[in-house]
Amino acid sequence: QQPVQSPQAVILREGEDAVINCSSSKALYSVHWYRQKHGEAPVFLMILLKGGEQKGHEKISASFNEKKQQSSLYLTASQLSYSGTYFCGTEAAGSGGSNYKLTFGKGTLLTVNP
Amino acid sequence: SQTIHQWPATLVQPVGSPLSLECTVEGTSNPNLYWYRQAAGRGLQLLFYSVGIGQISSEVPQNLSASRPQDRQFILSSKKLLLSDSGFYLCAWSGPGQGAVGYTFGSGTRLTVV
Repeated sequence: QQPVQSPQAVILREGEDAVINCSSSKALYSVHWYRQKHGEAPVFLMILLKGGEQKGHEKISASFNEKKQQSSLYLTASQLSYSGTYFCGTEAAGSGGSNYKLTFGKGTLLTVNP
Repeated sequence: SQTIHQWPATLVQPVGSPLSLECTVEGTSNPNLYWYRQAAGRGLQLLFYSVGIGQISSEVPQNLSASRPQDRQFILSSKKLLLSDSGFYLCAWSGPGQGAVGYTFGSGTRLTVV
């Protein structure tokens, strides 16, 4: 089942912060985050595994609450280059971490203006 | 280093014509391979995945098929295209085994069926 992302779109000024949420109705083994620029392929940002971990990638970090089956992506002090569509992809628990069947949300369009 | 090649980049095909999209991966062995389709506003839809030569799992029943004739080659085909087959097709790969790595996507094929 497709995870639900919120918000659908967000507009920021350079330097502002944003949070993108991803929630699933199923127990999760892992959550992936990707960014896609217009007309390009999605690019992997980070993966969070079962265990409630938190990760960071430059000024972009994420958390995974396995009990709530939710993940959040935090963008701090946004830059123009952060603009794009952000997708979460979820792998269901019980798959044994086989990394098959990653189900993606519909995406969150982030626009960073000067 | 690993690279993924996908071609063609764009394709315009008439309804009822056949389709063949090819994807190859270099620099790795026994990758998991995926075909996704992206329609506007609907995120990334998993079409097929493969964990080995000749092993294809279908996620969406439709007039598309996939084949993996070699370890690092993944082909998406159709005998007769429908208008609804239009979209952005993405091939991706991930490392075999446990799911602790992200997907790497090809540059995509934008298919327009007319």
